[in-house]
Amino acid sequence: QQQVKQSPQSLIVQKGGISIINCAYENTAFDYFPWYQQFPGKGPALLIAIRPDVSEKKEGRFTISFNKSAKQFSLHIMDSQPGDSATYFCAAITSGTYKYIFGTGTRLKVLA
Amino acid sequence: GAGVSQSPSNKVTEKGKDVELRCDPISGHTALYWYRQRLGQGLEFLIYFQGNSAPDKSGLPSDRFSAERTGESVSTLTIQRTQQEDSAVYLCASSLVRSGEQYFGPGTRLTVT
Repeated sequence: QQQVKQSPQSLIVQKGGISIINCAYENTAFDYFPWYQQFPGKGPALLIAIRPDVSEKKEGRFTISFNKSAKQFSLHIMDSQPGDSATYFCAAITSGTYKYIFGTGTRLKVLA
Repeated sequence: GAGVSQSPSNKVTEKGKDVELRCDPISGHTALYWYRQRLGQGLEFLIYFQGNSAPDKSGLPSDRFSAERTGESVSTLTIQRTQQEDSAVYLCASSLVRSGEQYFGPGTRLTVT
């Protein structure tokens, strides 16, 4: 019940295309869902996050879509660029606790 | 201010030796996490420190692993009698408060030969 399942494991997208990464969870107590971006040799960095009181959050080319009833959330990268090539992790946590549960990561490659 | 720093950035050690990894969190951050990231894998929780509270060590994979933190500052992760399966990137993260945004360091890449 503590798992966050992430798919796909890897993704190749043409420049200008839309990248979509999906995550699913079971624990309905989770109330904060961040996405992290990790470049090779670097630590993960927070990209965008959402709480379940909204169904969508957009920051620039990055959008999180949240479906509370389905217990799913996804990251959409519009107009994907080669510089977006990185590994993306979804995560979930219950406010007031401390243990983030991470997805297994998606390696995105955007072709020039 | 400065971000989370970790040292060394790379460590190659022989099987059976002990290693010590260091994490300097962002000043004022009360929460500190250690994670292990095996090649191509996700983040595996190891240990959590929060202020002066007892740490959550539930993620440490064996008694060869231990960690300490001095107050709200530096933390060290020690791996005794290293094994080849310990080879991974060890990431440290800090946050201002419990369940707050985590800021990750660049990691220490450990290779056990």
